[in-house]
Amino acid sequence: GENVEQHPSTLSVQEGDSAVIKCTYSDSASNYFPWYKQELGKGPQLIIDIRSNVGEKKDQRIAVTLNKTAKHFSLHITETQPEDSAVYFCAANKASNYQLIWGAGTKLIIKP
Amino acid sequence: GAVVSQHPSWVICKSGTSVKIECRSLDFQATTMFWYRQFPKQSLMLMATSNEGSKATYEQGVEKDKFLINHASLTLSTLTVTSAHPEDSSFYICSARDRSRGSTDTQYFGPGTRLTVL
Repeated sequence: GENVEQHPSTLSVQEGDSAVIKCTYSDSASNYFPWYKQELGKGPQLIIDIRSNVGEKKDQRIAVTLNKTAKHFSLHITETQPEDSAVYFCAANKASNYQLIWGAGTKLIIKP
Repeated sequence: GAVVSQHPSWVICKSGTSVKIECRSLDFQATTMFWYRQFPKQSLMLMATSNEGSKATYEQGVEKDKFLINHASLTLSTLTVTSAHPEDSSFYICSARDRSRGSTDTQYFGPGTRLTVL
């Protein structure tokens, strides 16, 4: 079946450095790839998304890149800050029914 | 914009009782709402998809008679956990698709409901 693999499961970076989280998807029909940030005890918050007709999208310190040929996409956070500490989930859509297939999550730790 | 609320944010109940969780889209109409369950340190597990005015579609392994879903309007979906048992204790999260955004797959999430069954 369809699946999304996400790496690493935990990422610890020094404040101010960059963080990169990578995901690979299996369904070639997927054309929408969101990233969510989840803080402890809260619901996921959409932080950025990308569709298959573009290769990169940027929003201030956050960027997402997509390689459709290789079926992978990545989240890049620059100039990390303590408030970036959270669990990040990637997802890919099932084009047929609007459902999302979720990665396992990455716990991002920003060290002061 | 695209705000989703859930009520209650947490609930503690006795084994055997039923609990209702509400999910509301506050500033948009939701064509589709999704119900997820999340265990500690794990990813989101889709339980069911509900479309306004029709029966919910449940994922494999989810008991539809235990987890009753009603999507009565374009802004409200409810999940009722019937005859709750301790193993039903979990974090339940809903999400919603914005009807006005056409075929977009974007899901907006509620803050979640922590259910503890004693």
